[in-house]
Amino acid sequence: SQQGEEDPQALSIQEGENATMNCSYKTSINNLQWYRQNSGRGLVHLILIRSNEREKHSGRLRVTLDTSKKSSSLLITASRAADTASYFCATPPLFGNEKLTFGTGTRLTIIP
Amino acid sequence: EAGVTQFPSHSVIEKGQTVTLRCDPISGHDNLYWYRRVMGKEIKFLLHFVKESKQDESGMPNNRFLAERTGGTYSTLKVQPAELEDSGVYFCASSQKPQLGGSEKLFFGSGTQLSVL
Repeated sequence: SQQGEEDPQALSIQEGENATMNCSYKTSINNLQWYRQNSGRGLVHLILIRSNEREKHSGRLRVTLDTSKKSSSLLITASRAADTASYFCATPPLFGNEKLTFGTGTRLTIIP
Repeated sequence: EAGVTQFPSHSVIEKGQTVTLRCDPISGHDNLYWYRRVMGKEIKFLLHFVKESKQDESGMPNNRFLAERTGGTYSTLKVQPAELEDSGVYFCASSQKPQLGGSEKLFFGSGTQLSVL
C-alpha cells in the first residue's frame, strides 16, 4: 500500500503568498523527510523531522509532524518563482535499511 | 564534490529493444538506490545496493529488469526487452553508511527519462 500521500496534488499561488502542503502516511516512522524536484532535475532533500519532534524550521520552510494523525505539513512562506516544483514527503522503514517510501507529490506553481 | 550523475538524461526506444541506464553515485557512498516514477504517480523504490551487494530488490517489477553494481562503484539498470509500461523517469540516489532509524538523507541524480514507443 502507498505510504505517503500528498495533498493537494496541485497548488497554484501568487508570488509572496504562503504555500501549505500536507502528507499522510500509514505506518509508524522514525522520521519523515521532504524533498523537492524541479522540472528535469533530481530530488533535493529539504528537511527531516524526527518522530519525537512536532515542528521544525529551516529558512522559509516550516514542517510539522503529528504522529497521532500520521500526518505532516510543509509550509513555504513568502513564496518565490524559484519555489515552483514538485514536493514529496518520504518515510523510511521503522527497522532495517534506508529505503524511502515516497508519495505522489504536490505540484506547486508560483505565479509571478 | 560531484553529485550523483545519471546517463543518459533521455532515452527513446521501441518496444522490445534493450536500454541500459547508468548511475555514478557520490564517491564514497556505499548505498545506491534505484527509484522510478511512472506517469506522474508516486516515486517507487526499485532496489538498494550496499557496495556491490543487492540489499533489497523487492521493488523490481519483473525479470526484464537487471541491476548491477560491479566493484561497488557505478551501477547499471538494464531493461530487456522494454515494454510500453516501462516508460517513466528512473532516479538513482546514494547515501553514506546508514544510521539507525533511517535518518540518512539521499542524494539524487537528475534521472533518466525513458520513453518506450
